[in-house]
Amino acid sequence: DQQVKQNSPSLSVQEGRISILNCDYTNSMFDYFLWYKKYPAEGPTFLISISSIKDKNEDGRFTVFLNKSAKHLSLHIVPSQPGDSAVYFCAARLAYQGAQKLVFGQGTRLTINP
Amino acid sequence: EPEVTQTPSHQVTQMGQEVILRCVPISNHLYFYWYRQILGQKVEFLVSFYNNEISEKSEIFDDQFSVERPDGSNFTLKIRSTKLEDSAMYFCASSEHGVFGDTQYFGPGTRLTVL
Repeated sequence: DQQVKQNSPSLSVQEGRISILNCDYTNSMFDYFLWYKKYPAEGPTFLISISSIKDKNEDGRFTVFLNKSAKHLSLHIVPSQPGDSAVYFCAARLAYQGAQKLVFGQGTRLTINP
Repeated sequence: EPEVTQTPSHQVTQMGQEVILRCVPISNHLYFYWYRQILGQKVEFLVSFYNNEISEKSEIFDDQFSVERPDGSNFTLKIRSTKLEDSAMYFCASSEHGVFGDTQYFGPGTRLTVL
């Protein structure tokens, strides 16, 4: 199942700089996208989401961009902080009545270097 | 801040044994979910549950799996006869209303090891 792909397994960014995490999807029936952050031995923690009718959503240091024509979304974190070091998952939900399941990408491990 | 809790944090069992994984969803949430993550693989959806019924399930969720809300607070996943390949992290999640724009909040997970 490769409907949601995060092609970079890891990313290293200097503290204070911008972190950009990318996610691609293949199913045009996805209409809602979420980013989760996961620390070791914890569950995924919700960060930010975007619906397919928008192209940008911002919450503090976190901004998600959606390019529907390219089936691509990205998460921008600025400025990056050491506490942002974690695995980041993008997830997508299908747009049909009663659909609730989230389809996850493989995750990208973000390391913020001091 | 309300959170989803799961017990136990780690469960070790012998192949063929039954296990029950427990979850307490966020109190005003109406939709409940189980996901799992096999080591090195993606987080995969298993099942969603609403109004005491399964509302959606994946191909993984076969007859060896069952879910139940035995009382007003707990939500359980039962695996009847565990196999080696059931070893994974199992995450419970809950959401408020299950419709478009709803956010699923995850628990810390139960690590299931089948020997």
